[in-house]
Amino acid sequence: SQTIHQWPATLVQPVGSPLSLECTVEGTSNPNLYWYRQAAGRGLQLLFYSVGIGQISSEVPQNLSASRPQDRQFILSSKKLLLSDSGFYLCAWSGGTNEQYFGPGTRLTVT
Amino acid sequence: DQQVKQNSPSLSVQEGRISILNCDYTNSMFDYFLWYKKYPAEGPTFLISISSIKDKNEDGRFTVFLNKSAKHLSLHIVPSQPGDSAVYFCAALGGGADGLTFGKGTHLIIQP
Repeated sequence: SQTIHQWPATLVQPVGSPLSLECTVEGTSNPNLYWYRQAAGRGLQLLFYSVGIGQISSEVPQNLSASRPQDRQFILSSKKLLLSDSGFYLCAWSGGTNEQYFGPGTRLTVT
Repeated sequence: DQQVKQNSPSLSVQEGRISILNCDYTNSMFDYFLWYKKYPAEGPTFLISISSIKDKNEDGRFTVFLNKSAKHLSLHIVPSQPGDSAVYFCAALGGGADGLTFGKGTHLIIQP
């Protein structure tokens, strides 16, 4: 069966510091991968989408970037965090169907 | 602008009764709809989905209804159980976006 992992689970970072969140998927090949963010009191917003290694689409302009160095690895990064980057970050995968399956999430607090 | 709307931030239902969660959308190009359940500090869990060519899909206690002319869908849970207490998100696929477009969620509270 397929599983999706995210780490770290929680993170507290000062403004201006870098960020790296990692997501890996097991049990499937060539998945579509997604990064979403849930800000306080809001729904989930799509940040990045990838259909394959090195292929990244960005939905909204922002202080973040994404990379897919391996088929089942998706990384979310920032060079300098802003207060507004605080939120709950979720990685998801899909493969062959419309349903997307989410990881456990990372709670990021920028102080 | 909010293309997927869940106008009820919270809903309280007695255990054993029916829970009805509503969702409206504005983009007529959406062609697939999904419901997710989310507990605090966890990722959303997929519940049930429906294609725009159907008007009903049922899976156990969960049924999703789609009214395309009204751009409205609903999730029915019957009978409601204490473990159903969670935030429920409506999501749509298509409409020119690469990923899912989510509503803001409805917090369902099942009262004993």
